[in-house]
Amino acid sequence: NAGVTQTPKFRVLKTGQSMTLLCAQDMNHEYMYWYRQDPGMGLRLIHYSVGEGTTAKGEVPDGYNVSRLKKQNFLLGLESAAPSQTSVYFCASSPSGTSYEQYFGPGTRLTVT
Amino acid sequence: AQSVTQLDSHVSVSEGTPVLLRCNYSSSYSPSLFWYVQHPNKGLQLLLKYTSAATLVKGINGFEAEFKKSETSFHLTKPSAHMSDAAEYFCVVRYSGGYQKVTFGTGTKLQVIP
Repeated sequence: NAGVTQTPKFRVLKTGQSMTLLCAQDMNHEYMYWYRQDPGMGLRLIHYSVGEGTTAKGEVPDGYNVSRLKKQNFLLGLESAAPSQTSVYFCASSPSGTSYEQYFGPGTRLTVT
Repeated sequence: AQSVTQLDSHVSVSEGTPVLLRCNYSSSYSPSLFWYVQHPNKGLQLLLKYTSAATLVKGINGFEAEFKKSETSFHLTKPSAHMSDAAEYFCVVRYSGGYQKVTFGTGTKLQVIP
């Protein structure tokens, strides 16, 4: 049982390049989330999914797209990277139900130059 | 509006002294409340959670928190700080209704002085 895994762990992009971050969970959770973490701002929700085939915008969705074709995977795409997207990205998953906590991946550190 | 406020961005304590990290929330509904810890360059780990059972919740590593509805607070405490407690702590609220919105506080960095 690996929990939540993220690929890659580190990445450096040039402005305008694209990339996809992969999140995988093996706990059969319905909900999955993508956050970004910047100093002094806590975690901000980018996009989330409440089930396979569904996605929705969070607090800071601009410049990102997501897909959830399989229940266990949640992909975050950057079509044209900008320096403002330099951040640490965390994926999380949880069961449906307000009493359940989120389980977090180890994070991806992305630098856009 | 639903929000979470962590009242201190930085807290500094001496090793062996008590820890108090403050969290207030606003909500029209009964929320579930969580505290997470993040050590440097690591992911987030759940410390404890409140889900409308006992108002005093015990978590890992000697931490506990008390849910006070009248004060809309969920402060995190520990009787005696260890060096290993130095980390950033996040108060998180999950609300019923809709997609069960999750809101993070901005975090409190705990420094433990030897």
